[in-house]
Amino acid sequence: QITLKESGPTLVKPTQTLTLTCTFSGFSLSTSGVGVGWIRQPPGKALEWLALIYWDDDKRYSPSLKSRLTITKDTSKNQVVLTMTNMDPVDTATYYCAHAETVAGTLSPFRYWGQGALVTVSS
Amino acid sequence: DIQMTQSPSSLSASVGDRVTITCRASQGISNSLAWYQQKPGKAPKLLLYAASRLESGVPSRFSGSGSGTDYTLTISSLQPEDFASYYCQQSYSTLITFGQGTRLEIK
Repeated sequence: QITLKESGPTLVKPTQTLTLTCTFSGFSLSTSGVGVGWIRQPPGKALEWLALIYWDDDKRYSPSLKSRLTITKDTSKNQVVLTMTNMDPVDTATYYCAHAETVAGTLSPFRYWGQGALVTVSS
Repeated sequence: DIQMTQSPSSLSASVGDRVTITCRASQGISNSLAWYQQKPGKAPKLLLYAASRLESGVPSRFSGSGSGTDYTLTISSLQPEDFASYYCQQSYSTLITFGQGTRLEIK
């Protein structure tokens, strides 16, 4: 059974750096093809993909946020960490992590999601 | 990056209605398209992938079709539990993008 759970601060101040941790079970990020992605959703707005890290440490970032994002993995702890610098009130959102995998070179959809973590950016 | 244009942004319908939501990609995505349903306060739930493949456990009233740049999600007979928001997502590019969403409301 695959599960994921996001953790991190619920409130950050403008200009601060956000660090979110996704702790998962039921799969390993050392398995060929496996990946973990981050997606966010501002209140009442659409989903926005942020970043994805693969089993081989290949990383992909949303072009619009690339300069502010870093995604890393700790395979031994079954964790993926996302950092976002220079937080702004417009970054207030629910942040989700989700499982993905590549099969025959094709990226799967996000079949398994965490419950989400609401992060508010305010002074 | 590939832009996904989803329409309509909102839709009012009645139980039993047939509804269709469309998603247009800014370039061909070779059926690398998924549809998600999201209810308030919940994570998105995968409904269909590879444009037309129904995820396990999803009712057969949900179907998907399309090719190239144009894709549709159809709900053949709306049930009360189907009133939610729906999103498309392309994974043709490793730079993943979602549509803007469709909010399906009860008429």
